[in-house]
Amino acid sequence: GESVGLHLPTLSVQEGDNSIINCAYSNSASDYFIWYKQESGKGPQFIIDIRSNMDKRQGQRVTVLLNKTVKHLSLQIAATQPGDSAVYFCAEFPWGTPLVFGKGTRLSVIA
Amino acid sequence: NAGVTQTPKFQVLKTGQSMTLQCAQDMNHNSMYWYRQDPGMGLRLIYYSASEGTTDKGEVPNGYNVSRLNKREFSLRLESAAPSQTSVYFCASSEAQVLSGNTIYFGEGSWLTVV
Repeated sequence: GESVGLHLPTLSVQEGDNSIINCAYSNSASDYFIWYKQESGKGPQFIIDIRSNMDKRQGQRVTVLLNKTVKHLSLQIAATQPGDSAVYFCAEFPWGTPLVFGKGTRLSVIA
Repeated sequence: NAGVTQTPKFQVLKTGQSMTLQCAQDMNHNSMYWYRQDPGMGLRLIYYSASEGTTDKGEVPNGYNVSRLNKREFSLRLESAAPSQTSVYFCASSEAQVLSGNTIYFGEGSWLTVV
């Protein structure tokens, strides 16, 4: 299960610090976006979503920011914990077509 | 709650062999999907079924076939496996495909190796 994480960009953060994971999306017609977390050997899990009529949405310890002008998404994780170590994917949803996934970023939390 | 269940978890095939990956969801979702995940490539859509009775090709359909057996089940078949099909396969489902805003839920994955 570890092999899916090879060759990905990696972000290393100290436990307790805030993490920011960035994602550039490709389709200006996309109107819905999702962040997924994938732990080793498991399927992607939904974290948070945002619609294109919003520029910010907050969840528990996570915030997603959307900048449609430059087609950019970011995921902010507050007070990063060891359990946050995983690969994070953004996904865009051009209306009427299936979700398109980014390649992912590996988050490594240093205890 | 089971959510999306796929079998088998692991499989080793010889080149040219055939096999079927099974998937079932218990969330009464209309749409189901098969993705493959390769190192550095992210998740790529193989086939999807927007609703019972329909199937459509995704980004990488060659070498695969699918069957939407009923609303719950969506299978993926490799008729003649090739080493290039070595990958991790994920089944997923969502309430509806055509409407934006429907979260996709994933199974735990099937690790397939073709030798």
